[in-house]
Amino acid sequence: NAGVTQTPKFQVLKTGQSMTLQCAQDMNHEYMSWYRQDPGMGLRLIHYSVGAGITDQGEVPNGYNVSRSTTEDFPLRLLSAAPSQTSVYFCASSYSFTGNEQFFGPGTRLTVL
Amino acid sequence: GDSVTQMEGPVTLSEEAFLTINCTYTATGYPSLFWYVQYPGEGLQLLLKATKADDKGSNKGFEATYRKETTSFHLEKGSVQVSDSAVYFCASNAGRGSTLGRLYFGRGTQLTVWP
Repeated sequence: NAGVTQTPKFQVLKTGQSMTLQCAQDMNHEYMSWYRQDPGMGLRLIHYSVGAGITDQGEVPNGYNVSRSTTEDFPLRLLSAAPSQTSVYFCASSYSFTGNEQFFGPGTRLTVL
Repeated sequence: GDSVTQMEGPVTLSEEAFLTINCTYTATGYPSLFWYVQYPGEGLQLLLKATKADDKGSNKGFEATYRKETTSFHLEKGSVQVSDSAVYFCASNAGRGSTLGRLYFGRGTQLTVWP
């Protein structure tokens, strides 16, 4: 199993550009989520999904969109990048939303100029 | 609301020293509690977990006990190694409700161990 994979590993954008961060898992997990990690802030939840076709907002959803058309994939879209979105983004998945361990991807380091 | 508070870092220790990183939580229900570790340039890995009161999670010489009476889950290790240098995150899941699976993270504690 590859576990949770994320692409790209690094990305530089200009303000106003859009892009999609990819996340995939091969563990047949129902629950997937996106976090951003900023210095001194821990991890903050952006969006999550409890299954294909179901998504919901986390703590910091503004400026981001998600969709979940398959169990495996959970892409995160930045609609119009802003410098405040410079961060490290982690995707995570777990078997269910009943408190099981979450498995994290390696992260995408995004810089918005 | 639900939240996790953990000891601010950074923590610097000599090899073989004793480690404690404090963590307390607030939750409306009965959450599971976790410690994650992040090595430089990597994602988070689960270090240990406890799912109910008085449970002790342990892994790689690290331990933490779920204390409901003090709402705490402090991480301890008796003798740290240089290879333990990393950022440690305490986390809890929501105790009940539709967001049961989401994790609430502390801000992380940077540990550096010197030889």
